[in-house]
Amino acid sequence: EAQVTQNPRYLITVTGKKLTVTCSQNMNHEYMSWYRQDPGLGLRQIYYSMNVEVTDKGDVPEGYKVSRKEKRNFPLILESPSPNQTSLYFCASSSGGRDTGELFFGEGSRLTVL
Amino acid sequence: DAKTTQPPSMDCAEGRAANLPCNHSTISGNEYVYWYRQIHSQGPQYIIHGLKNNETNEMASLIITEDRKSSTLILPHATLRDTAVYYCIVPYNQGGKLIFGQGTELSVKP
Repeated sequence: EAQVTQNPRYLITVTGKKLTVTCSQNMNHEYMSWYRQDPGLGLRQIYYSMNVEVTDKGDVPEGYKVSRKEKRNFPLILESPSPNQTSLYFCASSSGGRDTGELFFGEGSRLTVL
Repeated sequence: DAKTTQPPSMDCAEGRAANLPCNHSTISGNEYVYWYRQIHSQGPQYIIHGLKNNETNEMASLIITEDRKSSTLILPHATLRDTAVYYCIVPYNQGGKLIFGQGTELSVKP
């Protein structure tokens, strides 16, 4: 089954404790991206990757890192989480090129930073 | 980036057509319009996309104006399960940066 898998789905952590949210897709997609969703602010793009070893900033990259060492995985790294990073996070992928906008989304990861 | 503007909320009676508008006045010639919906806090679901011609699939129809500055997503017979937030997006020049905005919250009422 074609899918985008995120882990963990739920996480409560404390300020400053490094964490990684993993994202994996099984559709051989070139494009992957991360979003955060906060009440009243809709979906905001954090980072995106057009292909392996190619990443770029979205609208709200501050406090986040990403890497794209292989095609299927696109982890989101919070080196020193802060309470303002408490949010619902989504990973998405698409085949890229003219079909960049036809995204498949993961189920979301709800992160709470105390 | 081509920005989109959508009304924050709309109501629709069950069984009637839901027409959701989107303005994208800065769209350029080769940029597609995509529509998604998000039910509660689930991952958004792709609905349909188009360039200049009208499009239809099993979920919805998409009408794009001739000048391409606006579009309308049509759910022909809305059901209660269509209650969701609907997003219209325009990927900038087939690039990777995507702006979702806040979307339109559609409430389908019995």
